Amino acid sequence: DIQMTQSPSSLSASVGDRVTITCRASQGISNYLAWYQQKPGKVPKLLISAASTLQSGVPSRFSGSGSGTDFTLTISSLQPEDVATYYCQNYKSAPFTFGPGTKVDIK
Amino acid sequence: EVQVVESGGGLVQPGGSLRLSCAASGFTFSSYVMSWVRQAPGKGLEWVSGVTGSGDSTSYADSVKGRFTISRDNSKNTLYLQVNSLRAEDTAVYYCAKGGMVRGVGLNYYYYYYMDVWGKGTTVTVSS
Repeated sequence: DIQMTQSPSSLSASVGDRVTITCRASQGISNYLAWYQQKPGKVPKLLISAASTLQSGVPSRFSGSGSGTDFTLTISSLQPEDVATYYCQNYKSAPFTFGPGTKVDIK
Repeated sequence: EVQVVESGGGLVQPGGSLRLSCAASGFTFSSYVMSWVRQAPGKGLEWVSGVTGSGDSTSYADSVKGRFTISRDNSKNTLYLQVNSLRAEDTAVYYCAKGGMVRGVGLNYYYYYYMDVWGKGTTVTVSS
């Protein structure tokens, strides 16, 4: 099975800061990588699929990159509404595992 | 509007069973892979099970294999998860989620197990 790891597990940044979250797969998954945002008490929301394809309606300050085993989610200018936990997910092969999550809050 | 709505959760004793349902609307249900994802209190997301559009192929997380069964009735636009031999560690919010689709060249469509539409979830509590 493919294991997903994320770093850091949590971070605190100021409004306007550039934030980068890393996700690593235990084996190559090409670009079959999705990113989700889950705000406190809310349902998860798909941000990015295929490692870098932004979903409709997602602000352009979010971007994704990577292929193979190493991926990043970047928020170019952190906003208060971005406080959430972010998860990556492998969808190349079952089980379609999620990473453990990265909690982002405002300093 | 594309949506999925879960039901069937509740309080059950260890060793008990439940059948979760997910009613889908607003899309061609039979075309899309579907998944169940759960989230234990204060914990992260855990993919539980998935099924292809036709229902001919299913997959499970190791933690539920042999105890949970996913199925779908495309005539009713409904996804199911039969959960048996429940344990305390199965306590969670169970989300139903629609898979994604990418349009290829010409009339080719590709369906994937990322989740672009989520329900609000149904809570399963396993306790004596």
